[in-house]
Amino acid sequence: SQTIHQWPATLVQPVGSPLSLECTVEGTSNPNLYWYRQAAGRGLQLLFYSVGIGQISSEVPQNLSASRPQDRQFILSSKKLLLSDSGFYLCACCKEGNEKLFFGSGTQLSVL
Amino acid sequence: QKEVEQDPGPLSVPEGAIVSLNCTYSNSAFQYFMWYRQYSRKGPELLMYTYSSGNKEDGRFTAQVDKSSKYISLFIRDSQPSDSATYLCAMSRSNDYKLSFGAGTTVTVRA
Repeated sequence: SQTIHQWPATLVQPVGSPLSLECTVEGTSNPNLYWYRQAAGRGLQLLFYSVGIGQISSEVPQNLSASRPQDRQFILSSKKLLLSDSGFYLCACCKEGNEKLFFGSGTQLSVL
Repeated sequence: QKEVEQDPGPLSVPEGAIVSLNCTYSNSAFQYFMWYRQYSRKGPELLMYTYSSGNKEDGRFTAQVDKSSKYISLFIRDSQPSDSATYLCAMSRSNDYKLSFGAGTTVTVRA
């Protein structure tokens, strides 16, 4: 079965600083990968998804970008963080075939 | 109108009670239905997975899907304090890369 590694668990960044969150997956090949954001007390918002290396689909216009340099690596980035980028960021995999989606442990980002 | 509606609660029950959670949806094309459990500051954990209509039981958990009513339910029998969490429903169409999530219901089981 797949394992999703996501780090760091907690991150505090000043406004205007860059961001790089990394997600790697083990136990599966050619997975569909996803980045979600969850604001406090709210549901999950899909930010990006990728069906293969270099293939990124963006769901909402925003201050963030995503990249998939390797089959099982998914990176969420920002050049300059905004206060509104604060939230709980979750990487997820896989959905192909059996339609199931599994989540990493998440990164709590606070932009101050 | 949201595609998936879920009462956010909060819901508080005594230990041993049956917890009843539900979601309604508007897209009749949904075929895959899931329930996730999320503890505070953790990623959601897949709890139950159902394809199309019917019931599915796993230990103390029962998931029901009624496609004719566009209504899904999760029942937790003999609830325990460790069941205290936020429960999210999710669903998708066939050959769709994305899931549609409910907002989540926060459940507290009192010892």
